[in-house]
Amino acid sequence: DSGVTQTPKHLITATGQRVTLRCSPRSGDLSVYWYQQSLDQGLQFLIQYYNGEERAKGNILERFSAQQFPDLHSELNLSSLELGDSALYFCASSPRAVADTQYFGPGTRLTVL
Amino acid sequence: GQQLNQSPQSMFIQEGEDVSMNCTSSSIFNTWLWYKQDPGEGPVLLIALYKAGELTSNGRLTAQFGITRKDSFLNISASIPSDVGIYFCAGQDGTGANSKLTFGKGITLSVRP
Repeated sequence: DSGVTQTPKHLITATGQRVTLRCSPRSGDLSVYWYQQSLDQGLQFLIQYYNGEERAKGNILERFSAQQFPDLHSELNLSSLELGDSALYFCASSPRAVADTQYFGPGTRLTVL
Repeated sequence: GQQLNQSPQSMFIQEGEDVSMNCTSSSIFNTWLWYKQDPGEGPVLLIALYKAGELTSNGRLTAQFGITRKDSFLNISASIPSDVGIYFCAGQDGTGANSKLTFGKGITLSVRP
């Protein structure tokens, strides 16, 4: 158990809908990272938050957004969903702002029908 | 962007055998990480390497940070069935807000009993 929690475990929704994925980092970690993993793309970095502020952006679509709250939990919002958004979404956390040693949560499997 | 090369895509070994996996890049990294992922689960951190030339062990696993900072290897000795999974290397580059982790596409390891 990495100490990172994610909810929900599974999510099934329809195209055009909006969903919110939630992540709680390990105790004491200030950075939260979001990744998308699909079969053919591997792990793709989406975005990092550090202590409530956006720190780094990767290949995140404009339809996606995230935030980190004062209690350090984070939410990833996915809107206008398309079939191609079906994937595993992982959250990771680390103690510092520098994106080195990261601990991953169990993931949320999103299926868009 | 940065790319990490892991090959082959799949490896098949007999239980009890040793196996070695390489990860190479054309760019230098400040940190190398090795993760293992089971199907439908989040990646689990196996070993973190922070200095060129560093050799670190975790049980039957040994990993090294290449002297050139452009490669790393992971060795698993005396493999057992539970070693089955996908092994990812990840490299951290940049400093401050520019730092991020880049992941290889992973090697799927199968262990025949």
